[in-house]
Amino acid sequence: DAGVIQSPRHEVTEMGQEVTLRCKPISGHNSLFWYRQTMMRGLELLIYFNNNVPIDDSGMPEDRFSAKMPNASFSTLKIQPSEPRDSAVYFCASSPTANTEAFFGQGTRLTVV
Amino acid sequence: DQQVKQNSPSLSVQEGRISILNCDYTNSMFDYFLWYKKYPAEGPTFLISISSIKDKNEDGRFTVFLNKSAKHLSLHIVPSQPGDSAVYFCAASDTGNTPLVFGKGTRLSVIA
Repeated sequence: DAGVIQSPRHEVTEMGQEVTLRCKPISGHNSLFWYRQTMMRGLELLIYFNNNVPIDDSGMPEDRFSAKMPNASFSTLKIQPSEPRDSAVYFCASSPTANTEAFFGQGTRLTVV
Repeated sequence: DQQVKQNSPSLSVQEGRISILNCDYTNSMFDYFLWYKKYPAEGPTFLISISSIKDKNEDGRFTVFLNKSAKHLSLHIVPSQPGDSAVYFCAASDTGNTPLVFGKGTRLSVIA
């Protein structure tokens, strides 16, 4: 398996634009997570899914953020409209179950100007 | 309130010496602890773990120690190598099928 695959690796966008980050988890993993890494907060959990169902989105900062998992092999994190303070590295991770070792993708570095 | 705390943002160690990275947690329900390593422009990768039924787990140069009464764990790297320079994240979980909770990370620099 190629591991967790995220796209794009880098995204630069203007404030107010819609941004969509994509993730393909490891096949067979039942849990998928979206994390955001910043200097101030470290790795913070935004949302996680079990068996494609969103379980906890309390980490999503605002209504501008939304995430979907239409099937077991694909998830998106959307920011609409984007703001400069959303600039960060966004990681997708998957694991067999929610509380076991998570495998991370390489991340998407988002810059909102 | 942070449930997993890594109070040292950075650490510098000479090559060949021991690196000790520390982590404290507040949630007494945590029973599984992990360390991740992260290089620039890459995602975190799993390094070593320990369950609450143990107080030590060793894997080559890496050893994790758990002190449940103090709610403290540490990662020892002996001997440290320049390739160990990275950000190290401590993480914890409980048996309730809830996600890992991460600390903010400690940046380790191993100086040749």
